[in-house]
Amino acid sequence: SQKIEQNSEALNIQEGKTATLTCNYTNYSPAYLQWYRQDPGRGPVFLLLIRENEKEKRKERLKVTFDTTLKQSLFHITASQPADSATYLCALGWLNDMRFGAGTRLTVKP
Amino acid sequence: GAVVSQHPSWVICKSGTSVKIECRSLDFQATTMFWYRQFPKQSLMLMATSNEGSKATYEQGVEKDKFLINHASLTLSTLTVTSAHPEDSSFYICSARNGVSNQPQHFGDGTRLSIL
Repeated sequence: SQKIEQNSEALNIQEGKTATLTCNYTNYSPAYLQWYRQDPGRGPVFLLLIRENEKEKRKERLKVTFDTTLKQSLFHITASQPADSATYLCALGWLNDMRFGAGTRLTVKP
Repeated sequence: GAVVSQHPSWVICKSGTSVKIECRSLDFQATTMFWYRQFPKQSLMLMATSNEGSKATYEQGVEKDKFLINHASLTLSTLTVTSAHPEDSSFYICSARNGVSNQPQHFGDGTRLSIL
């Protein structure tokens, strides 16, 4: 069956450290992958997109990798801050379809 | 840019009532709009995809007569939950996209629907 699994439901780290979130998938062949941030009671906000032929993308303190052999994407937040605390969703996409993972709730402690 | 407004943000109503939720793209033309349902601590579940001027495409298991979707213009889509019951209580979120499939989806802030 098709699955999108985000490493853990919750991740707690200390301010200043690098947060690494994992998105694994099975029985999908996505053409691209997107990461979103969702705050409680709000809609998701787009962060980064990476295509299947790209290995890595960066945007300020954010970095995404995409390994189609391992069927995995890693999402890194360097120099994390308490304001980075939120739920992060990965989404796999192809043609006109996109499916979301359940998300990882990140808490950055001061 | 790329702002999506969803209204109302929350609604409480009696069982049997029909509820309409609006989703507007304020500063771009949304060729495609999506409606999701989200339960606490769970993923966004796609309910339907709509293209302007066309009938919506519903996901398997979503009753099209229960959840009526209209995408009458490039800036407005509506979801009507007909004859709502307590099991329809949930967080409903719309998103809009302009252009090809790998473009980001821009989300509204959701509607919390509570049916008594």
